[in-house]
Parts: sequence; structure tokens; C-alpha cells
Amino acid sequence: DAGITQSPRHKVTETGTPVTLRCHQTENHRYMYWYRQDPGHGLRLIHYSYGVKDTDKGEVSDGYSVSRSKTEDFLLTLESATSSQTSVYFCAISEGVFTGLTDTQYFGPGTRLTVL
Amino acid sequence: GENVEQHPSTLSVQEGDSAVIKCTYSDSASNYFPWYKQELGKRPQLIIDIRSNVGEKKDQRIAVTLNKTAKHFSLHITETQPEDSAVYFCAASNTGNQFYFGTGTSLTVIP
Repeated sequence: DAGITQSPRHKVTETGTPVTLRCHQTENHRYMYWYRQDPGHGLRLIHYSYGVKDTDKGEVSDGYSVSRSKTEDFLLTLESATSSQTSVYFCAISEGVFTGLTDTQYFGPGTRLTVL
Repeated sequence: GENVEQHPSTLSVQEGDSAVIKCTYSDSASNYFPWYKQELGKRPQLIIDIRSNVGEKKDQRIAVTLNKTAKHFSLHITETQPEDSAVYFCAASNTGNQFYFGTGTSLTVIP
């Protein structure tokens, strides 16, 4: 497995509380992504980053914010968690070399978040 | 944006038979098509991928075919084994490094 870790791996929280998930990589890859996985929906992109301090929204970004202050860390924050944000969250990375080709994407182990 | 559809959502085959999963995409600019296998409680793992300049790629019992004109690509698993049981996802991407995933196929191989 690529050097990707996520923390925490499991979290239970209450509606209205802030939550931050962390993704850490040791591969020095340029691109980092946050997805959520829900039954029947596959993997949906929340936000992604193409460099330090460079981020953009994905298809389900409402209610989420991200930050990337270092190449190796990408944080996902739920400012005020809701029950609809109960999901499994996966971080992913891809190298992003300037070849004009899309790079392979590798996933972290996932974080199971439950919002009560 | 890109829209990827995947069929079937569930598939059961007898051990030793072949399994085929199909995906269609909408954006003609997509040029990279990976397939992921996800076992229960685990992360998606890349099993094979294909780029738009290639029509077919094979790796042992797994093959992927791509028809750019029709905008569809397929995963073929031959001589299926119980350990092939998992959820399989297709995806499409262009050079922007954004990936769009299908909704997954749950494959069960019956011993």
C-alpha cells in the first residue's frame, strides 16, 4: 500500500459539533483527495488539492472545508456535523507529474464517521 | 462534468466461470480508466487500468477493454475464484486528475 494514513479511523460525534479528519502521506505526491462512500453512491469527491494551499471543490462539497498547509497533510473539516454526513471517508493521492497523463490514484484506509 | 454509469450492480457467478462488468462514460475528454477492487471494510485497491490510446489490456485473469467511440469500457475476470468476491468500481479521468467513479458492482463467486 502507498504511504497513506488517516486519523482517526473511527469517530462517533454528535450533531452540531465540529470534526476534523486528517490524511497524511509519505509519498510526496502533489494531488490529494477526499471522498465519501455511501451505499448506492460509490465514491464521491468532496474536495481535492493540487498543491500546498491549492484546493478545489468536488461534487459534494457543501458542509465541508479543507486545508493543506504542508505537502504531506490534507485536512477535512465538518464545521457543524449533521447526520447526513455519516459516512466512510477516504483520502487518496496521485503523483501529479507534468506528463500530460493522469496518474494512478491510491487510497488511504478510510475513516468511519458516525454523527448521532 | 463526467458521468460514469456501471452495470450490473450485483453479479453472482459459479467458481470457474467468467464475470463481466461494464461502464459507460459521457465526457469524450476522459482518457484514463482505472478499475478498483474493494473487499469488505477495506480500501479500494487498483487492479488494472487502461489509457485511451490502448484498446485492451490484460493481467493474468483480468482484462479491460475500451471502446472510445461508444464511450464504454469493461472489466473481464476469467476463471473466477472465491477470493474474487468483492465490490468492483470503475472510474474515468482526464488530464485534470479528477476521478469520477461508477456506483460499484458487488461480485459473488459461488464455490
